[in-house]
Amino acid sequence: EAQVTQNPRYLITVTGKKLTVTCSQNMNHEYMSWYRQDPGLGLRQIYYSMNVEVTDKGDVPEGYKVSRKEKRNFPLILESPSPNQTSLYFCASSLQGQGGYEQYFGPGTRLTVT
Amino acid sequence: KQEVTQIPAALSVPEGENLVLNCSFTDSAIYNLQWFRQDPGKGLTSLLLIQSSQREQTSGRLNASLDKSSGRSTLYIAASQPGDSATYLCAVRITGGGNKLTFGTGTQLKVEL
Repeated sequence: EAQVTQNPRYLITVTGKKLTVTCSQNMNHEYMSWYRQDPGLGLRQIYYSMNVEVTDKGDVPEGYKVSRKEKRNFPLILESPSPNQTSLYFCASSLQGQGGYEQYFGPGTRLTVT
Repeated sequence: KQEVTQIPAALSVPEGENLVLNCSFTDSAIYNLQWFRQDPGKGLTSLLLIQSSQREQTSGRLNASLDKSSGRSTLYIAASQPGDSATYLCAVRITGGGNKLTFGTGTQLKVEL
């Protein structure tokens, strides 16, 4: 089954404790992206990657890191989480290129930083 | 900067009604527009994707239209059912921004028995 998976689905942590949220897709998509969703603000892009070893900042990259060492995986790293990073996080993937390609989203990771 | 607005923010209708959800965007230079459904605590499910060259797309009881020149899209749901209750999000893929989607804040739909 074609899908985007995220782990963990739920995470409660404390300020300053490094964490990684994993994202994996099995559709051989070049493009992968991370979004966060907050009430009243909608989904906002954090980082994206157009292919292996190619990453770039989205609209709200502060406090986050990413890496793309393999095509299928795009982990999101919070080196020193803070309470304002409490949010619902989504990973997405699609084919890359001109024109329109449907984006597929993972089930989400709900992060709480205390 | 592209901005996407969805009105209304919330909508409650009786079962069986036909309804229209609205989405507007400020910059008409888009590749496509995608409608999603989000259930509480769940991820996003893609409903329809309309390319910038298309006027509408249909899937079952859903019909989405796109008027790029006026910066508007509508999602029409026919014969609504309680199972349609969810938040509906529209998102546009902008030109020159990779595959980035710019999202609206959604319309929360409740279909009552």
